[in-house]
Order: sequence, then structure tokens, then C-alpha cells
Amino acid sequence: SQKIEQNSEALNIQEGKTATLTCNYTNYSPAYLQWYRQDPGRGPVFLLLIRENEKEKRKERLKVTFDTTLKQSLFHITASQPADSATYLCALDRTAGNKLTFGGGTRVLVKP
Amino acid sequence: NAGVTQTPKFRVLKTGQSMTLLCAQDMNHEYMYWYRQDPGMGLRLIHYSVGEGTTAKGEVPDGYNVSRLKKQNFLLGLESAAPSQTSVYFCASSQPGTGNTEAFFGQGTRLTVV
Repeated sequence: SQKIEQNSEALNIQEGKTATLTCNYTNYSPAYLQWYRQDPGRGPVFLLLIRENEKEKRKERLKVTFDTTLKQSLFHITASQPADSATYLCALDRTAGNKLTFGGGTRVLVKP
Repeated sequence: NAGVTQTPKFRVLKTGQSMTLLCAQDMNHEYMYWYRQDPGMGLRLIHYSVGEGTTAKGEVPDGYNVSRLKKQNFLLGLESAAPSQTSVYFCASSQPGTGNTEAFFGQGTRLTVV
């Protein structure tokens, strides 16, 4: 069966360091991979999208890589700040904007 | 900008009662979705719609019905609520295309079935 796995353990990191989150998938051939941020009591908010033919995407302090051979995406937050503390979700999509499937999310806690 | 608005924000139901959750979007998006989020389970797709008048089943559709009579609204119905439907429900919308296909989410509805 199709599976999307993110580390369920919270990631505690010191301010200023780089946080790296992993999203692994099996039995899936996504065309797009997206990352979202979710704060407690709020809906997810879109951060980045990377296509299957792209290796890397950057947006400000965020970087996403996509390795379709390893079936893995890495999400990096560089120079992390306490305001980056949240849960980060990866989502896969086989077609443009249709039926996003989400991983369970990884909670990040950035300590000052 | 309102974006995606869900009504109500909180609700407590007794087992067997029915209710409808309303989702409205003002971005003229074609696609709309209903997800539920449970601890440790992530977001799971209940039903979705690719246009006005269309609906389709997602990953966990049992016990729910939906309707999309108007493009801007997507309704989720629970005919006979069960404790297993206690969850946080999120509505989302997106616009298909070859460019950015991000989904926009509402603020969620926290439903408790006792």
C-alpha cells in the first residue's frame, strides 16, 4: 500500500542551527511534492512545491530536495529561529492540484 | 482576503445526531477537499470535488456525505455521528494547472461526538 512517512518524534534544535526533516514514500510515483507548516489550532499553510524533475528548491531560509530514486524529500530550515517552531507536513500529488496525500508531520521546536 | 472559511469552529454532538459542516472559498478555485486530522494519523482525505456538481471519495469516506451545488461551497454531512468521527476537520481548495498547485486550508472545525 502507499505510504508517506515522516519522523513522528519531535525535533529539538538550537536557534541558529539547521533543522533537517525527512519525508519518505513507498509505492508512489508523485509528480509533485509539497511542504506545509501547521501551527497549533490552525490549518496547514503552504511553504514550497518541488516537481519530480527538480532536484532542489529554495525559498528564503528554506530548502527542499527531491530524490525520486531514493523516494525521499529533505526539508531544511537554515539559521532556525524560535518562530520556526511548528509542525511540518509533506504532501504528495500525482497530478496538478488533485488529491494531496499527507504524511503525519514532524514537530520542530527551536530553542533560544 | 477571507480565503477558505469553515463553519462552525467547534461542535459537540451526541451519538446518532446529524450535522453539516460548511466550507466557503472566495478564490474561484475548481478543486475543494475535506480532510480529517487525528493525532498520529496526519491529514486523511474524506471526499473531494473537482468542480461544481461533482464529488468523489477519498481515503476515508464512510459515514460522510458531501455536496458541491455551488462552486464556492463544499458541504460535509454526518448523517449519524459516531464517537469515531471525533476529529478536527479541515477544508481546503486549490486551482489545477501546470504552475503552483498549493492548497489553501480553512482554520478547522473541532468536532466531538459523545
